[in-house]
Amino acid sequence: AQSVTQPDIHITVSEGASLELRCNYSYGATPYLFWYVQSPGQGLQLLLKYFSGDTLVQGIKGFEAEFKRSQSSFNLRKPSVHWSDAAEYFCAVAFSSNDYKLSFGAGTTVTVRA
Amino acid sequence: SAVISQKPSRDICQRGTSLTIQCQVDSQVTMMFWYRQQPGQSLTLIATANQGSEATYESGFVIDKFPISRPNLTFSTLTVSNMSPEDSSIYLCSAGGLAGGLGGTDTQYFGPGTRLTVL
Repeated sequence: AQSVTQPDIHITVSEGASLELRCNYSYGATPYLFWYVQSPGQGLQLLLKYFSGDTLVQGIKGFEAEFKRSQSSFNLRKPSVHWSDAAEYFCAVAFSSNDYKLSFGAGTTVTVRA
Repeated sequence: SAVISQKPSRDICQRGTSLTIQCQVDSQVTMMFWYRQQPGQSLTLIATANQGSEATYESGFVIDKFPISRPNLTFSTLTVSNMSPEDSSIYLCSAGGLAGGLGGTDTQYFGPGTRLTVL
């Protein structure tokens, strides 16, 4: 069955430290991969996406993500976290190239401590 | 990219009533989607709305409870009918497949959401 897993429900990181959020999917082919961020009381903002090509993709706000086919993963990283990065992060996957439908992971809440 | 607005941003409703949520996109889009985000949960797709055709509902969601309209390429509405407290959620619309964009899967852009509380 097709699925998206974010193993970490909550991560606490110190300001200035690095951050890595994990995302794994279950699918027989390469899906289309996205990371979205949702700040408190806000809608979802696209951070980055992977469709094909270079497996290391750069996004907004200093985020990057790496697609690893062998591990069925698309982990999100940021070298130095800012207090404003405290938010909910969702990995989303489109398993079909025709219907645009997204399946979302459960989300990871990031808390940034001073 | 696309800018998406939703009305209302939040509402408190009584059990048994209905609420219609509007979603407006600043660009013509092929597909629009409606999601539900229950408190502390992830997003669940309710339905896909294409202009000129009936909405396609996901398992667990039915048209009688969540009727959807899609009268043109920039607008859609979702009605939450005969509401109960279990319908208290954030409802988000999204848009994908921007006119003139690449074929196949494209990026979905999300509205700010409508926070619904049912008493």
